[in-house]
Amino acid sequence: DAGITQSPRHKVTETGTPVTLRCHQTENHRYMYWYRQDPGHGLRLIHYSYGVKDTDKGEVSDGYSVSRSKTEDFLLTLESATSSQTSVYFCAISEPERGQGELFFGEGSRLTVL
Amino acid sequence: AQSVTQPDIHITVSEGASLELRCNYSYGATPYLFWYVQSPGQGLQLLLKYFSGDTLVQGIKGFEAEFKRSQSSFNLRKPSVHWSDAAEYFCAVLMDSNYQLIWGAGTKLIIKP
Repeated sequence: DAGITQSPRHKVTETGTPVTLRCHQTENHRYMYWYRQDPGHGLRLIHYSYGVKDTDKGEVSDGYSVSRSKTEDFLLTLESATSSQTSVYFCAISEPERGQGELFFGEGSRLTVL
Repeated sequence: AQSVTQPDIHITVSEGASLELRCNYSYGATPYLFWYVQSPGQGLQLLLKYFSGDTLVQGIKGFEAEFKRSQSSFNLRKPSVHWSDAAEYFCAVLMDSNYQLIWGAGTKLIIKP
């Protein structure tokens, strides 16, 4: 199994509070991704990173920010959580030189915003 | 615009029966296509991929998929399902603009004993 750890795995918070989700990898993969998964929507890309300090927006980036100060860590921050951000968040990693489109996923972080 | 459609939200199959999950894509050139599986409470795992060449591709866990350009389809098949195949299955296509995946909404497979 790919070495990907997400934390926390479960979190309940209140509207308006900041939340940070962490993704840690031990595979030294260049690309890291944050997705959200909601029923009927499949996976939607929030942000991704293609190297340290190199990030880009996905299709649902509003209300989210990311940071990658080290190869192994990719942080997703909700500056002021809203109920619409209740979701399951997945981190994924890939190394395109080893396989385009081949992503390895973490086990997910379930966030509930009350 | 590139897109992926999985027409079936749920599919119920008896254990031991054959399975076909449908995937249709919209793409101008030859697509890079993928099937991923998500077991309950887990992240996604790559089942198989198609880039070029033989249109019938083999994957892990006994799955295969066939690329049909004329039908813009990449359907996933398995000759005999096991209870452990109960999961959600996602089809995806790789965008050539930024090498990111576009995902279908998923098909949940339910296995009847």
